[in-house]
Order: sequence, then structure tokens, then C-alpha cells
Amino acid sequence: DIQMTQSPSTLSASVGDSVTITCRASQSISRWLAWYQQKPGKAPKLLIYKASSLESGVPSRFSGSGSGTEFTLTISSLQPDDFATYYCQQYHSYSTFGQGTKLDIK
Amino acid sequence: QLQLQESGPGLVKPSETLSLTCTVSGGSISSSSYYWGWVRQPPGKGLEWIGSIYYSGNTYYNPSLKSRVSISVDTSKNQFSLKLNSVTAADTAVYFCARDLRSYLDTGGYADYWGQGTLVSVS
Repeated sequence: DIQMTQSPSTLSASVGDSVTITCRASQSISRWLAWYQQKPGKAPKLLIYKASSLESGVPSRFSGSGSGTEFTLTISSLQPDDFATYYCQQYHSYSTFGQGTKLDIK
Repeated sequence: QLQLQESGPGLVKPSETLSLTCTVSGGSISSSSYYWGWVRQPPGKGLEWIGSIYYSGNTYYNPSLKSRVSISVDTSKNQFSLKLNSVTAADTAVYFCARDLRSYLDTGGYADYWGQGTLVSVS
């Protein structure tokens, strides 16, 4: 099984800040990685697929990078709507999610 | 606009079978390039992929749940269904259905459309 580890687990930031969330895979997954945003009581929303491809309709302040075992999600100029929990997901071999990163307001 | 809607009992007894159906509207479940999957989330915890099915019936299951899971598809009703047997309290979760993008022979995919989720409690 491929394990996904996100860091940090919790992140505090202010509107206008830029933040980065890291996701590490237990073995190489090439670029088969997606990022999701989830708000309380809601379904996850796809942000990024294939490590760096922006899903249609997602603001350009969201960006993804990485390959192999290390990946990052960067949100530049945080907006009030961005405070949520973020998950990475590998889909190289079956599918595994990271444990999530909660982004809250400082 | 594609929409997915989960339905099924919100309470299941331990050792029994959890059964849920996802109804797809605004698009055909028989579209190529898409699988249809289930993901669950225990209260206050993270996401776990359960399995996915192609309209032809080809399935991929999470290896850790494979012995207890069955996913089926009914193209005439534009629905797919989940059965999870021998449930315990650990299976209490919000269950989401989703459209799963992957190539036919890929074991993994990512989800671009999701249902709103339905809470199933085992008690």
C-alpha cells in the first residue's frame, strides 16, 4: 500500500498570506497526485490533478508541484473562502488520501 | 450539470450489510473514460477510497476492504450501488459517491464530481 503523509496537520494564516502544504508518498507515484479542498459538512472539491493541472473553475492562486514522492500545494494571497481542510490523494496504485491539513485563520 | 445523489438507510446493525445507491443525473453513467466510485469519511477523520466501477462492470476495490465490498452498476437506471457486509462500528462514516477519472486499466483515479454524502451509522 502507498502511504501519503501531509504536513503540517494544522496551519494558521491570515488573509493575503501565501501558504504551502506538503504531501509525501511512501514510494514513487510519478505525478499521479490530486489535491482537494473540503469544508465542514460538504463533499471534497477537486483543485489539482496530475500534480500541477488546475481543475476548471479553480482560481489561479492555487498551484501544485512535485513528482516522485514529494508534492506541494501552494495557495497565494489567501482569501476568506480558502480556510478549509486540504487533502492530497495518490492514484498511481489504487487510491490513498493523506490525513488532511486544516487551514485556519490566525 | 452532472449531479450525484446517494440514498440508503442511515442506520445499520452490526454484522449486517450496508447498502447504498448513487443516482447520476445530467449525464450518462455509460460515458467512456469515467469510473464511478465510493469514498467514505468517518466522523472527524480523513477520506478513504472504497472502490470504483466502470459501466461495463469492471471494478477496482481498496485492498483493505476487498473481502467485504461489492459495487455494481445499473446502466438502465443510471445508478451504481455499494454493498459492504459484516459491518462494525468502525464502518460508521459519511459515504460519498463520485465520478472517478482514470484510464480503463488504471487501478487508481481522481474524483471530479461528488455527491453530497450520506451518514451511515452502525449501531
